Amino acid sequence: DTGVSQNPRHKITKRGQNVTFRCDPISEHNRLYWYRQTLGQGPEFLTYFQNEAQLEKSRLLSDRFSAERPKGSFSTLEIQRTEQGDSAMYLCASRTSGGSYEQYFGPGTRLTVT
Amino acid sequence: ELKVEQNPLFLSMQEGKNYTIYCNYSTTSDRLYWYRQDPGKSLESLFVLLSNGAVKQEGRLMASLDTKARLSTLHITAAVHDLSATYFCAVDRGADGLTFGKGTHLIIQP
Repeated sequence: DTGVSQNPRHKITKRGQNVTFRCDPISEHNRLYWYRQTLGQGPEFLTYFQNEAQLEKSRLLSDRFSAERPKGSFSTLEIQRTEQGDSAMYLCASRTSGGSYEQYFGPGTRLTVT
Repeated sequence: ELKVEQNPLFLSMQEGKNYTIYCNYSTTSDRLYWYRQDPGKSLESLFVLLSNGAVKQEGRLMASLDTKARLSTLHITAAVHDLSATYFCAVDRGADGLTFGKGTHLIIQP
C-alpha cells in the first residue's frame, strides 16, 4: 500500500487553458474526496465520491469544474477555462466507509495559473 | 453553515514549554480530526476523536473532545523544535467531507 497518489505534482498553465488532475486512492477505499487549499488557509471541500457515484458537490465547485471517478477507482478533476483565482493546492483524500473514519491525504497538485 | 474556529492562529513558543490549541465548532458533530501540515507538504493525520470525552495521546501531543461544549483541544507537552508546523482541526458532518479551521501556525524556538 503506497498511500494516496496524485499527478501531476505541479502544473503551471496560462489563463483560459484546461487542466486535468488525477488521484489514485488507497486500494479498497471506496470514498474519495477533493479539496482545495489556498495559501494560509485550511483545505476547503470540493466534492466527494462513494465508489463511482458523485454524492456531494460544494458550491465552490463552479460549472468550470468537473470530477469523475470511473469504475470507482482513480478520480480526475478537470478545470476548464482556468482563471488566476484557481491557483491553489488541490488535495485528494480517501477512506473506507466505516472503521476509523480517517481520511488519508495525497501529496496534492499545486496549480499556478499565469 | 458549519464554522470551525481555531485559536490561536499563530503561536511562537520555546522548547520545553507546554501549550494548548483550541478548536471550536458551530454545529453538532461526533467526529473531530487533527492534522499536521509542514510547509509545502500535504496533511498528516494526527488524531481522530469519535465520541464525547475522547482523549488520545501520541508522544508529546494529546487531543481531547467535548461534544457538548463543541470544543476540542490539542495539548503540547515539553515542546521540541520538530513539532513546528501548522496544525488543523476539522469537523466531519457525515459523508460529505471535512470542514477545516484556518490552522494554527506553530513555531518552536530553541
